[in-house]
Amino acid sequence: DAGVTQSPTHLIKTRGQQVTLRCSPKSGHDTVSWYQQALGQGPQFIFQYYEEEERQRGNFPDRFSGHQFPNYSSELNVNALLLGDSALYLCASSAAPPADTQYFGPGTRLTVL
Amino acid sequence: QQQVKQSPQSLIVQKGGISIINCAYENTAFDYFPWYQQFPGKGPALLIAIRPDVSEKKEGRFTISFNKSAKQFSLHIMDSQPGDSATYFCAASMKRRGSTLGRLYFGRGTQLTVWP
Repeated sequence: DAGVTQSPTHLIKTRGQQVTLRCSPKSGHDTVSWYQQALGQGPQFIFQYYEEEERQRGNFPDRFSGHQFPNYSSELNVNALLLGDSALYLCASSAAPPADTQYFGPGTRLTVL
Repeated sequence: QQQVKQSPQSLIVQKGGISIINCAYENTAFDYFPWYQQFPGKGPALLIAIRPDVSEKKEGRFTISFNKSAKQFSLHIMDSQPGDSATYFCAASMKRRGSTLGRLYFGRGTQLTVWP
């Protein structure tokens, strides 16, 4: 049973560019959450998708947007990249409630030059 | 404002010793407290989790102790091994209306080194 998968593994962009990151949830999971993890810090919640809708959002600007597809996979889009967006972007999936456990993927390392 | 405060920032333990990491929270609405282990270049992996209705949960060498009145919880790693060397994160979440799943609030992490 494949766990949470993310692509690409690494990405290098320049300031002002746009980036799209992808996530496939664990089999049987329908909720996807995205987190940003800066070097040496704990993950910070960006947003959560369920039934193709954004259900919760953390303290991130509108430059961060997302989407969930009918097959439960998800994308994270970041526009107008800043140097401070350099981080490990993590996707976590979970099963339908009352499940609380979130399983994380390996992440996408984004470097903005 | 950090919703979950974690200490220590780093911890060095000898092989076979006990590693203890502590976390504290303020929001009494939190109802789920997981611990994650993260190796360099990898995503966090769930170790063990607890709810506020129990004071302790043990899985193998890992134990969570939970003190609801003090709003504190801790992770104990018994018989620590070099393979346990990783960064450990405590987290907390709560159910919210209109959402199926609480977002996770993470501590800043503890870098554990176990010397052979």
